Amino acid sequence: GAVVSQHPSWVICKSGTSVKIECRSLDFQATTMFWYRQFPKQSLMLMATSNEGSKATYEQGVEKDKFLINHASLTLSTLTVTSAHPEDSSFYICSARGTETQYFGPGTRLLVL
Amino acid sequence: QKEVEQDPGPLSVPEGAIVSLNCTYSNSAFQYFMWYRQYSRKGPELLMYTYSSGNKEDGRFTAQVDKSSKYISLFIRDSQPSDSATYLCAMGISTDSWGKFQFGAGTQVVVTP
Repeated sequence: GAVVSQHPSWVICKSGTSVKIECRSLDFQATTMFWYRQFPKQSLMLMATSNEGSKATYEQGVEKDKFLINHASLTLSTLTVTSAHPEDSSFYICSARGTETQYFGPGTRLLVL
Repeated sequence: QKEVEQDPGPLSVPEGAIVSLNCTYSNSAFQYFMWYRQYSRKGPELLMYTYSSGNKEDGRFTAQVDKSSKYISLFIRDSQPSDSATYLCAMGISTDSWGKFQFGAGTQVVVTP
């Protein structure tokens, strides 16, 4: 099956710093990628849809100035958490749209101290 | 009320038993139904994908959809300790909106040797 990678797999940062997470589709081109956040024992919550070459579409309640998304190529989307705070600590998962389904990355665990 | 309801478990079964998982939903427009397996600290992995009502079988896995009752199920036969994971159901209206599929909260399954 298709492979989607994320980097880093986990990150610890100080409050107020910015963190960039990369999502790559390794063996297929993805014009559309999705970013989710998942809190412990909770479901995946869609944050935004990333479209190659255009602005991301954010879900209601997600601050676009805080969660910057860039989809510069058909295989790479990045999520930057700006001025991170402890409440941003979560598991961030990306997915890439394939022909019949979406393929998820392994996730990035963010801990903001 | 959530659009997709899923019992969080945990559901503990002995090795070799049948695991029975289910989700209920409220949106009658849902047409596509999926089951994902998520190991701890990993991204979800697609297990089964169904479009219509009825049964679909793939190896030890059987997915059932009952649109009239707004109820879907996943059965795992001959369960193994390696099946221990969280199982997420997901559903959506069309394949044009893969990323916007609604996820259940996930059921944690523990298969004991």
